[in-house]
Amino acid sequence: DTAVSQTPKYLVTQMGNDKSIKCEQNLGHDTMYWYKQDSKKFLKIMFSYNNKELIINETVPNRFSPKSPDKAHLNLHINSLELGDSAVYFCASALAGGTGELFFGEGSRLTVL
Amino acid sequence: SQQGEEDPQALSIQEGENATMNCSYKTSINNLQWYRQNSGRGLVHLILIRSNEREKHSGRLRVTLDTSKKSSSLLITASRAADTASYFCATANTGNQFYFGTGTSLTVIP
Repeated sequence: DTAVSQTPKYLVTQMGNDKSIKCEQNLGHDTMYWYKQDSKKFLKIMFSYNNKELIINETVPNRFSPKSPDKAHLNLHINSLELGDSAVYFCASALAGGTGELFFGEGSRLTVL
Repeated sequence: SQQGEEDPQALSIQEGENATMNCSYKTSINNLQWYRQNSGRGLVHLILIRSNEREKHSGRLRVTLDTSKKSSSLLITASRAADTASYFCATANTGNQFYFGTGTSLTVIP
């Protein structure tokens, strides 16, 4: 059983399109995250949700909209895709309190043409 | 930005040698963690050191933490080709926010 699973693994699309990436964790964690990793492997936090409530929104354009239907799921919807959105997007989860580790999904590589 | 920095950005060593990576951060922390990322994969947790600890060991890994200098180091002893990967430090606060460093790309030559 994969602890944190995200789909799709690869996504190729045209500029201006809208796309979604789904994430699910079966670890019973309270907090879930989206990170963006650019071509230089720089890993930047985008969003953090705790029990379906938004905790962090780190200067991310409002074209990015996270949705958490329940605490086991955090999906990422991106509107009007731009070339600069090309990156690998990682979902992660952790127990509340900042005392534990992050568990990462395998990443979703988004390529915008 | 709360992002940390790591150095060196890239490190190439011979199998059997030790590898040392350094991490600096900017804010107060609850703990500091090190992660490994193999090419094309997600990050995997290696070791966690709490803010009141100075050194921690796990197998061939040794981590130090100096909160007065806001810095940490990761030592991998007796490196193996399979240790080739990118290594990231991450700081965690009590608000469950994790901020990553810029990463060190380690190549271990057989």
